[in-house]
Amino acid sequence: DAGITQSPRHKVTETGTPVTLRCHQTENHRYMYWYRQDPGHGLRLIHYSYGVKDTDKGEVSDGYSVSRSKTEDFLLTLESATSSQTSVYFCAISESGQGDSPLHFGNGTRLTVT
Amino acid sequence: SQQGEEDPQALSIQEGENATMNCSYKTSINNLQWYRQNSGRGLVHLILIRSNEREKHSGRLRVTLDTSKKSSSLLITASRAADTASYFCAMGDSNYQLIWGAGTKLIIKP
Repeated sequence: DAGITQSPRHKVTETGTPVTLRCHQTENHRYMYWYRQDPGHGLRLIHYSYGVKDTDKGEVSDGYSVSRSKTEDFLLTLESATSSQTSVYFCAISESGQGDSPLHFGNGTRLTVT
Repeated sequence: SQQGEEDPQALSIQEGENATMNCSYKTSINNLQWYRQNSGRGLVHLILIRSNEREKHSGRLRVTLDTSKKSSSLLITASRAADTASYFCAMGDSNYQLIWGAGTKLIIKP
C-alpha cells in the first residue's frame, strides 16, 4: 500500500446524496483502477484509467463516474448513493495494463449508505 | 462476469503445517496472479506466473500453473500466524482484463 492513499477511509452517507472518493498515488503509474469488494462477489472492477483524462468502464460502472485530471489522482463519484453501493472500495495502480502486470492496492474506503 | 473458482473457501491449519490453495479458470490466460489480503487492508501482490511457466517460487511460497487443466495452486510452507489472511487468484486474460477468484480464507492456529 506504499504510495497509494485513499480518502476518506470510512464514510457514512444518506441515500440520494453524491459521494466522492479520492485515490492519490506517488508512484507515477499510468494505470489506476477502482474496485468494489463485497462478500460473495470478490473484487469487481468499476472504472479504470489508462492516462490523464482517459478512462473506461468496468463490469459494474452503473451509478458511478470517474475523473482523472492529474496522473496522481483518480476520483470516484457516486452520483446519487444507493444502499446497494454500500461496500468497501479499493483503488489500485499498475505500470501496465491490469492483465499484464501486478496491481498495487490502497487500504480501501468503507462506505455505508443509509 | 466470469470468476475464477478457488478452493477451499476456508482452510484452518496448525502453525508449521503447509497450506495449499487451488484456483481454476475457464478462459485462456496470459498470466495468473496471487494476492493476499489481511483483515481491513488492501490486497498485496504475491506472485505472477506467466502462461509459459509451470512453477515459481518466492520465499515460502510456491505457485504452480497447469494450463492444460486450467488450474493453479499456491503452497505456503511452514505456515506462521502472520500468514492468516485471505488469498485471491486473478487471471490476466488475452484482453488484458483480470478475472478474480472469490478467495480462500486461511487461518493459522498457534
